[in-house]
Amino acid sequence: DAKTTQPPSMDCAEGRAANLPCNHSTISGNEYVYWYRQIHSQGPQYIIHGLKNNETNEMASLIITEDRKSSTLILPHATLRDTAVYYCIVRLHPADGGYNKLIFGAGTRLAVHP
Amino acid sequence: SAVISQKPSRDICQRGTSLTIQCQVDSQVTMMFWYRQQPGQSLTLIATANQGSEATYESGFVIDKFPISRPNLTFSTLTVSNMSPEDSSIYLCSVEGENRARNTGELFFGEGSRLTVL
Repeated sequence: DAKTTQPPSMDCAEGRAANLPCNHSTISGNEYVYWYRQIHSQGPQYIIHGLKNNETNEMASLIITEDRKSSTLILPHATLRDTAVYYCIVRLHPADGGYNKLIFGAGTRLAVHP
Repeated sequence: SAVISQKPSRDICQRGTSLTIQCQVDSQVTMMFWYRQQPGQSLTLIATANQGSEATYESGFVIDKFPISRPNLTFSTLTVSNMSPEDSSIYLCSVEGENRARNTGELFFGEGSRLTVL
């Protein structure tokens, strides 16, 4: 079973920030939070991951609460091409000896509109 | 990164037949994963395929229905046997990054094979 809870859908205006929440209240101390997205008719694409510190890369920012029970993926300036299903996944990092499979939940369907 | 090619990209099959899906990776990888995505649904892991050993299947999936081969470090096949309309799905191949110690831990996915069973 997926260990995360996400809203089924969200809307965002083009150019505005998209903030996608994720609850993972049962996360264990050595599990990371990973975010992937799936644009229609494509395979999932990695976005970002983090353990307990906030992370930022060229695609997005990841804000993890201090208790690590929830996180938010931020797309700072959403475009129409960001319309996709976004998946929040918790798992061990392979460098820590974690088994590498990803278990997907239902995800959040983000619609970016003009 | 890893570039993954899947064949066929799509196919229409008759009930009761079997279809083999191929997954080719442009680099050697230890672990390969096969997922199924039914229409309008999320991805469900079918099995993990390591080279030189039998695939490990997730709950609800069995080898007789979804036999998997992993002959080398760059290739794998998934066969969907004795198909029924309920097997109509997108089947995706996924691999880990090359350097497990330093990479992001991300997995790379193929574009999927869309299967329609009539």
